[in-house]
Amino acid sequence: DTEVTQTPKHLVMGMTNKKSLKCEQHMGHRAMYWYKQKAKKPPELMFVYSYEKLSINESVPSRFSPECPNSSLLNLHLHALQPEDSALYLCASSQERHTSTDTQYFGPGTRLTVL
Amino acid sequence: GEDVEQSLFLSVREGDSSVINCTYTDSSSTYLYWYKQEPGAGLQLLTYIFSNMDMKQDQRLTVLLNKKDKHLSLRIADTQTGDSAIYFCAESLGDTGRRALTFGSGTRLQVQP
Repeated sequence: DTEVTQTPKHLVMGMTNKKSLKCEQHMGHRAMYWYKQKAKKPPELMFVYSYEKLSINESVPSRFSPECPNSSLLNLHLHALQPEDSALYLCASSQERHTSTDTQYFGPGTRLTVL
Repeated sequence: GEDVEQSLFLSVREGDSSVINCTYTDSSSTYLYWYKQEPGAGLQLLTYIFSNMDMKQDQRLTVLLNKKDKHLSLRIADTQTGDSAIYFCAESLGDTGRRALTFGSGTRLQVQP
């Protein structure tokens, strides 16, 4: 099973709202990732968690707050977003092997619209 | 630096072969990947190749790697309408400090019936 699940599938929020995106995997992977994908563009890395610790933050604004409560779950908390933050948010996971391929498996994404 | 480039669009007829090309600049890349993205969906891993290989075949998919020219291609044999999607190549440096993928801009494949 190489499945990564994400909820919700679609989210519409106002600029004053607080919401959360959720990602889950049961493959025993120890690295989890958040990517942002704007229309007609490739995914861009936001955050990497390794063994439940934040290891990479690609200078993402503080209105995006990641959380990794355990090795299977990854959240992205959203607060005071801007309309330009509207995008497809993709979660991925990988085994976190350092000596050979560490293939990333992606979820279906959450389509976020900020009004 | 890291820069991955792809042509934006390819149109083929059903039953023909499709060849999607990708060039990358980072010579320390250890793994190169092909992902498929259908409209409104996430990325589906198709295949990957280690940088010490020059070819990998998996059913209808053939990946060719020319490390000297930093050129990667994905050939899809007997292309079907269900293959219509955006195809991203991606490179991974494989070191512990930079595990994340760098994606190309994506090639939209349109398959005409």
